[in-house]
Amino acid sequence: DIQMTQSPSTLSASVGDRVTITCRASQTINDWLAWYQQKPGKAPKLLIYKASTLESGVPSRFSGSGSGTEFTLTISSLQPDDFATYYCQQYNSYSRTFGQGTKVDIK
Amino acid sequence: VQLVESGGGLVQPGGSLRLSCAASGISVNDNYMSWVRQAPGKELEWVSVLYSIGTTYYADSVAGRFTISRDDSTNTLFLQMNSLTAEDTAVYYCAREAHSCTTTSCSTFWYFNLWGRGTLVSVSS
Repeated sequence: DIQMTQSPSTLSASVGDRVTITCRASQTINDWLAWYQQKPGKAPKLLIYKASTLESGVPSRFSGSGSGTEFTLTISSLQPDDFATYYCQQYNSYSRTFGQGTKVDIK
Repeated sequence: VQLVESGGGLVQPGGSLRLSCAASGISVNDNYMSWVRQAPGKELEWVSVLYSIGTTYYADSVAGRFTISRDDSTNTLFLQMNSLTAEDTAVYYCAREAHSCTTTSCSTFWYFNLWGRGTLVSVSS
């Protein structure tokens, strides 16, 4: 199976900060990568697919980049609603594997 | 549009449980529907998928023990879980896979564009 590794595991930031989360794949996945946001007790929410395509309705402060094995999720100006856990997921293979998550909390 | 899971609970090792996912605003038989789980402190893990044409696939960790199915009359997705072990303890999410269709066929993209809130399954004696 393709392994996905996110860094950092936890990130402390303030409202207005620019935040970047990295996701690395154990082998090339082209641009078959999605990002999700999850808040406690809530359903995960798709933010980005195909590495950089914003899902409909997702604020433009979220962006994704990368291809091959290294990817990033950037929040250009962190808002109070953005404190959550973020997951990457590869869909280059049917195993659909996820990263371990990055928790963004308040500094 | 929402997915609502139910049926979780505490079960003894070796026991069985059936999870349900009630869909509203979408038809489960027109979509590619998956179960994804998250064990405490672990990453999300894809478990199983049911294609609109009825094809099913399972993760190696559950193959032969879990069965995915649906009831079109109630628009509900199910996951029958047998021979449960402590390693199956997790929150189980129902999720719709993104897909596209031509005039003759559909295919899934293997990522998830709609999720439920999950139901907790605890396997312990």
